[in-house]
Amino acid sequence: QSVLTQPPSASGTPGQRVTISCSGSSSNIGSNTVNWYQQLPGTAPKLLIYSNNQRPSGVPDRFSGSKSGTSASLAISGLQSEDEADYYCAAWDDSLKDVFGTGTKVTVL
Amino acid sequence: EVQLVESGGGLVQPGRSLRLSCAASGFTFDDYAMHWVRQAPGKGLEWVSGISWNSGSIGYADSVKGRFTISRDNAKNSLYLQMNSLRAEDTALYYCAKDIARWFGELSAYYNWGQGTLVTVSS
Repeated sequence: QSVLTQPPSASGTPGQRVTISCSGSSSNIGSNTVNWYQQLPGTAPKLLIYSNNQRPSGVPDRFSGSKSGTSASLAISGLQSEDEADYYCAAWDDSLKDVFGTGTKVTVL
Repeated sequence: EVQLVESGGGLVQPGRSLRLSCAASGFTFDDYAMHWVRQAPGKGLEWVSGISWNSGSIGYADSVKGRFTISRDNAKNSLYLQMNSLRAEDTALYYCAKDIARWFGELSAYYNWGQGTLVTVSS
């Protein structure tokens, strides 16, 4: 079961800024970095943000990540229709396993 | 171009075994840790297992520990997952994923993913 808690849904109109939260504990987010993945409908996940706030090449700078204490956030600015997807946070846990968030479905209104 | 192609999925009865394979190409396979991540139908992502570049470090999710075994053959650019004592709750799409680092752990991130192979456990 997921150890990291995310809101089940988020939405916005095109051009708006949307923020997704990810809440963990001292054994995962509190002591390790956070990654974010985007999963478009019917496709494999894609790495969006790694090491809290680093974007792999090719990821638009509309996507940004941050971390504070035992929580992390993903922000999507200038929301576009193609951003409609499921988003997952993930972090290494000190119990020697990787843990994913519960997932957030982003809808573009 | 990095390619990860999973195979070996299918319908299997509870208690039986299955072996998944992942054929890698387009990168130096033995430079990276590799992982298996699964997704039950309509559900979220779950990390299953990871293995370092030289098989020196291996980890499992609690839900599969003692039943699943991850391995790799660097000479064949291949990753494997031996799944024993399968349960209905193991039903999922199993993804092979390439890490950004040699060792899995706190710096792990999954940069490349395959398209997955479906495992269905049912009588």
